[in-house]
Amino acid sequence: QQQVKQSPQSLIVQKGGISIINCAYENTAFDYFPWYQQFPGKGPALLIAIRPDVSEKKEGRFTISFNKSAKQFSLHIMDSQPGDSATYFCAARGNAGNMLTFGGGTRLMVKP
Amino acid sequence: NAGVTQTPKFQVLKTGQSMTLQCAQDMNHEYMSWYRQDPGMGLRLIHYSVGAGITDQGEVPNGYNVSRSTTEDFPLRLLSAAPSQTSVYFCASISATVWFFGPGTRLTVL
Repeated sequence: QQQVKQSPQSLIVQKGGISIINCAYENTAFDYFPWYQQFPGKGPALLIAIRPDVSEKKEGRFTISFNKSAKQFSLHIMDSQPGDSATYFCAARGNAGNMLTFGGGTRLMVKP
Repeated sequence: NAGVTQTPKFQVLKTGQSMTLQCAQDMNHEYMSWYRQDPGMGLRLIHYSVGAGITDQGEVPNGYNVSRSTTEDFPLRLLSAAPSQTSVYFCASISATVWFFGPGTRLTVL
């Protein structure tokens, strides 16, 4: 049973467009929600993260929107660029044992 | 600083063979973990460690063993490889709220 559900599995966006990836979780004990970016042949790397007491966090072209009541959060990539083409994972941390649960991943392709 | 290193980068095993995937970090982190990555399933936690001498099971521990004799090293052992263990394996070293991942080991079990 996947505790963090991510959609879509794949996404194609034109250069300059907005990429939106959604995640939903079940466990209300999760206390930290990061997004990781992974390029082919590399390990995932932290992109941006949010805590549940904040509804939005923006870093450059990347924004996380968080809806605690709906148990959903999303990543928005503004002005998407071909260099953003990668796999994106949402994740959630339980408040015991420092364990991170990942969504299934979204493969983003930004067309020039 | 090298960060998190993993060896080997690629490995092919036959069913029933055993091997050890190596992971080392030079950031002096207490927390380390092993994940496997399979298409559409994200990264799933195999085992984790909260410090030297302390390990525990994650979501998918069957068929894998770990030990943590030093802060730096956290090897993952496959006892008797099975085709279901074909995957990409990532080691992570954890600082507060950041998981630092290694480059991964791509394992194929025939």
